[in-house]
Amino acid sequence: NAGVTQTPKFQVLKTGQSMTLQCAQDMNHNSMYWYRQDPGMGLRLIYYSASEGTTDKGEVPNGYNVSRLNKREFSLRLESAAPSQTSVYFCASSGLTGGGGYTFGSGTRLTVV
Amino acid sequence: GDSVTQMEGPVTLSEEAFLTINCTYTATGYPSLFWYVQYPGEGLQLLLKATKADDKGSNKGFEATYRKETTSFHLEKGSVQVSDSAVYFCALSGGSASKIIFGSGTRLSIRP
Repeated sequence: NAGVTQTPKFQVLKTGQSMTLQCAQDMNHNSMYWYRQDPGMGLRLIYYSASEGTTDKGEVPNGYNVSRLNKREFSLRLESAAPSQTSVYFCASSGLTGGGGYTFGSGTRLTVV
Repeated sequence: GDSVTQMEGPVTLSEEAFLTINCTYTATGYPSLFWYVQYPGEGLQLLLKATKADDKGSNKGFEATYRKETTSFHLEKGSVQVSDSAVYFCALSGGSASKIIFGSGTRLSIRP
Protein backbone atom coordinates (compact mmCIF):
# COMPACT_ATOMS: atom_id res chain seq x y z
CA ASN A 1 0.00 0.00 0.00
CA ALA A 2 1.40 3.36 -1.02
CA GLY A 3 -0.53 5.40 1.57
CA VAL A 4 0.33 9.09 1.12
CA THR A 5 2.78 9.96 -1.66
CA GLN A 6 4.50 13.35 -1.88
CA THR A 7 6.55 14.71 -4.74
CA PRO A 8 9.20 15.96 -5.03
CA LYS A 9 11.28 14.80 -2.07
CA PHE A 10 13.79 17.63 -2.37
CA GLN A 11 13.67 21.01 -4.10
CA VAL A 12 15.82 24.13 -4.23
CA LEU A 13 14.18 27.34 -5.41
CA LYS A 14 15.41 30.86 -5.95
CA THR A 15 13.57 33.68 -4.22
CA GLY A 16 10.53 34.66 -6.28
CA GLN A 17 10.18 31.37 -8.13
CA SER A 18 6.98 29.38 -7.92
CA MET A 19 6.35 25.69 -7.50
CA THR A 20 3.66 23.18 -6.62
CA LEU A 21 4.05 20.37 -4.12
CA GLN A 22 1.99 17.34 -5.00
CA CYS A 23 0.26 14.95 -2.61
CA ALA A 24 -1.85 11.91 -3.37
CA GLN A 25 -3.46 9.29 -1.12
CA ASP A 26 -4.91 5.93 -2.03
CA MET A 27 -6.84 5.18 1.16
CA ASN A 28 -10.13 6.83 0.12
CA HIS A 29 -9.71 9.36 2.92
CA ASN A 30 -11.99 12.38 3.00
CA SER A 31 -9.65 14.85 4.72
CA MET A 32 -6.20 16.04 3.69
CA TYR A 33 -3.74 18.44 5.29
CA TRP A 34 -0.53 20.35 4.62
CA TYR A 35 1.93 21.03 7.43
CA ARG A 36 5.33 22.61 7.61
CA GLN A 37 7.96 21.52 10.10
CA ASP A 38 10.69 23.87 11.24
CA PRO A 39 13.38 23.21 13.87
CA GLY A 40 12.02 23.87 17.36
CA MET A 41 8.57 24.77 16.02
CA GLY A 42 6.95 21.38 15.73
CA LEU A 43 4.28 21.02 13.05
CA ARG A 44 2.23 23.97 11.88
CA LEU A 45 -0.91 23.56 9.79
CA ILE A 46 -0.88 25.52 6.54
CA TYR A 47 -4.15 24.49 4.88
CA TYR A 48 -6.53 21.60 5.09
CA SER A 49 -9.41 20.11 3.14
CA ALA A 50 -12.12 18.45 5.19
CA SER A 51 -13.70 16.94 2.09
CA GLU A 52 -13.45 17.07 -1.68
CA GLY A 53 -14.34 20.54 -2.91
CA THR A 54 -13.53 22.38 0.34
CA THR A 55 -10.37 24.00 1.63
CA ASP A 56 -9.68 26.06 4.73
CA LYS A 57 -6.81 28.05 6.17
CA GLY A 58 -4.75 26.70 9.01
CA GLU A 59 -2.34 28.43 11.34
CA VAL A 60 0.18 29.73 8.76
CA PRO A 61 -1.51 30.12 5.32
CA ASN A 62 0.21 33.32 4.11
CA GLY A 63 2.25 32.82 0.96
CA TYR A 64 0.54 29.54 0.03
CA ASN A 65 -2.44 28.35 -2.00
CA VAL A 66 -3.97 24.90 -2.23
CA SER A 67 -6.13 22.90 -4.61
CA ARG A 68 -8.15 19.80 -3.78
CA LEU A 69 -8.08 18.42 -7.30
CA ASN A 70 -10.18 15.36 -6.48
CA LYS A 71 -10.60 13.05 -3.51
CA ARG A 72 -7.10 11.63 -3.92
CA GLU A 73 -5.02 14.72 -4.60
CA PHE A 74 -4.25 17.87 -2.62
CA SER A 75 -1.57 20.23 -3.93
CA LEU A 76 0.24 23.12 -2.24
CA ARG A 77 1.48 26.05 -4.33
CA LEU A 78 4.07 28.66 -3.51
CA GLU A 79 3.46 31.56 -5.90
CA SER A 80 6.58 33.59 -5.05
CA ALA A 81 8.95 31.67 -2.81
CA ALA A 82 10.72 33.43 0.06
CA PRO A 83 13.62 32.24 2.23
CA SER A 84 11.19 32.09 5.18
CA GLN A 85 9.45 29.23 3.38
CA THR A 86 12.51 27.03 3.67
CA SER A 87 11.12 24.07 5.57
CA VAL A 88 10.07 20.44 5.41
CA TYR A 89 6.51 20.08 4.15
CA PHE A 90 4.30 17.15 5.08
CA CYS A 91 1.01 16.09 3.60
CA ALA A 92 -1.38 13.97 5.66
CA SER A 93 -4.79 12.40 5.26
CA SER A 94 -7.48 10.99 7.51
CA GLY A 95 -10.69 9.07 7.10
CA LEU A 96 -12.44 11.05 9.82
CA THR A 97 -11.60 14.70 10.39
CA GLY A 98 -8.71 13.91 12.74
CA GLY A 99 -10.51 11.56 15.10
CA GLY A 100 -8.89 8.42 13.74
CA GLY A 101 -5.40 9.82 13.40
CA TYR A 102 -3.51 10.91 10.33
CA THR A 103 -1.38 9.07 7.78
CA PHE A 104 1.60 11.16 6.75
CA GLY A 105 3.68 11.31 3.62
CA SER A 106 7.46 11.18 3.81
CA GLY A 107 7.88 14.92 3.28
CA THR A 108 9.34 17.44 0.85
CA ARG A 109 12.47 19.27 1.92
CA LEU A 110 12.36 22.74 0.34
CA THR A 111 15.19 25.25 0.37
CA VAL A 112 14.66 28.78 -0.90
CA VAL A 113 17.87 30.70 -1.60
CA GLY B 1 -8.13 27.05 22.52
CA ASP B 2 -7.02 23.46 22.53
CA SER B 3 -3.34 22.85 23.11
CA VAL B 4 -0.74 20.21 23.89
CA THR B 5 2.33 20.68 26.07
CA GLN B 6 5.04 18.08 26.11
CA MET B 7 8.35 17.61 27.79
CA GLU B 8 11.16 19.51 26.17
CA GLY B 9 14.08 17.56 24.90
CA PRO B 10 16.45 16.33 24.01
CA VAL B 11 16.22 13.28 26.22
CA THR B 12 19.24 10.96 26.28
CA LEU B 13 19.05 7.54 27.89
CA SER B 14 21.12 4.38 27.98
CA GLU B 15 19.82 1.24 26.34
CA GLU B 16 17.40 -0.73 28.56
CA ALA B 17 16.53 2.35 30.65
CA PHE B 18 12.94 3.25 31.54
CA LEU B 19 11.40 6.01 29.46
CA THR B 20 8.78 8.59 30.35
CA ILE B 21 7.89 11.53 28.10
CA ASN B 22 5.34 13.81 29.72
CA CYS B 23 2.37 15.24 27.85
CA THR B 24 -0.50 17.36 29.14
CA TYR B 25 -3.35 18.86 27.20
CA THR B 26 -6.02 21.54 27.32
CA ALA B 27 -9.26 20.89 25.49
CA THR B 28 -12.97 21.45 25.73
CA GLY B 29 -15.04 18.31 25.41
CA TYR B 30 -13.52 14.86 25.12
CA PRO B 31 -10.58 14.72 22.73
CA SER B 32 -8.82 11.69 21.28
CA LEU B 33 -5.14 11.55 22.21
CA PHE B 34 -2.23 10.32 20.12
CA TRP B 35 1.49 9.71 20.16
CA TYR B 36 3.34 9.96 16.86
CA VAL B 37 6.95 9.00 16.17
CA GLN B 38 9.24 10.49 13.53
CA TYR B 39 12.41 8.61 12.60
CA PRO B 40 15.23 10.56 10.92
CA GLY B 41 14.35 11.63 7.38
CA GLU B 42 10.84 10.23 7.54
CA GLY B 43 7.29 11.43 8.06
CA LEU B 44 5.32 10.98 11.26
CA GLN B 45 3.87 7.58 12.07
CA LEU B 46 1.02 6.93 14.46
CA LEU B 47 2.48 5.07 17.45
CA LEU B 48 -0.60 4.70 19.65
CA LYS B 49 -3.87 6.36 20.51
CA ALA B 50 -6.63 6.49 23.13
CA THR B 51 -10.12 7.77 22.50
CA LYS B 52 -11.65 8.03 25.97
CA ALA B 53 -10.72 8.47 29.61
CA ASP B 54 -8.81 5.59 31.25
CA ASP B 55 -8.08 3.98 27.87
CA LYS B 56 -4.54 2.68 27.49
CA GLY B 57 -2.94 2.81 24.08
CA SER B 58 -0.01 0.49 23.42
CA ASN B 59 2.29 -0.47 20.56
CA LYS B 60 5.87 -1.74 20.18
CA GLY B 61 6.35 -1.82 23.97
CA PHE B 62 5.21 1.80 24.39
CA GLU B 63 2.17 2.64 26.51
CA ALA B 64 0.17 5.74 27.40
CA THR B 65 -2.95 6.09 29.55
CA TYR B 66 -5.60 8.76 28.99
CA ARG B 67 -5.94 10.51 32.36
CA LYS B 68 -8.83 12.95 32.30
CA GLU B 69 -8.41 14.00 35.95
CA THR B 70 -4.85 15.19 35.31
CA THR B 71 -5.34 15.99 31.58
CA SER B 72 -2.27 13.90 30.79
CA PHE B 73 -1.15 11.25 28.31
CA HIS B 74 2.41 10.37 29.29
CA LEU B 75 4.38 8.00 27.07
CA GLU B 76 6.26 5.15 28.79
CA LYS B 77 8.45 2.24 27.80
CA GLY B 78 10.03 -0.19 30.20
CA SER B 79 13.28 -0.87 28.34
CA VAL B 80 14.35 1.36 25.44
CA GLN B 81 16.49 0.28 22.51
CA VAL B 82 18.83 2.21 20.25
CA SER B 83 16.23 1.81 17.50
CA ASP B 84 13.78 3.91 19.57
CA SER B 85 15.87 7.02 18.89
CA ALA B 86 13.45 9.41 17.19
CA VAL B 87 11.29 12.48 17.77
CA TYR B 88 8.01 11.82 19.61
CA PHE B 89 4.94 14.04 19.25
CA CYS B 90 1.93 14.11 21.53
CA ALA B 91 -1.30 15.24 19.83
CA LEU B 92 -5.03 15.60 20.32
CA SER B 93 -8.15 15.92 18.20
CA GLY B 94 -11.78 16.51 18.90
CA GLY B 95 -13.08 18.67 21.68
CA SER B 96 -13.60 22.12 20.24
CA ALA B 97 -11.58 21.34 17.07
CA SER B 98 -11.70 18.40 14.73
CA LYS B 99 -8.18 18.83 13.39
CA ILE B 100 -5.19 17.26 15.14
CA ILE B 101 -3.13 19.63 17.27
CA PHE B 102 0.48 18.60 17.84
CA GLY B 103 2.89 19.28 20.65
CA SER B 104 6.33 20.62 19.80
CA GLY B 105 8.01 17.20 19.86
CA THR B 106 10.60 15.55 22.11
CA ARG B 107 13.84 14.26 20.64
CA LEU B 108 14.94 10.96 22.20
CA SER B 109 18.43 9.57 21.81
CA ILE B 110 19.38 6.13 23.13
CA ARG B 111 23.05 5.30 23.58
CA PRO B 112 24.27 1.71 23.43
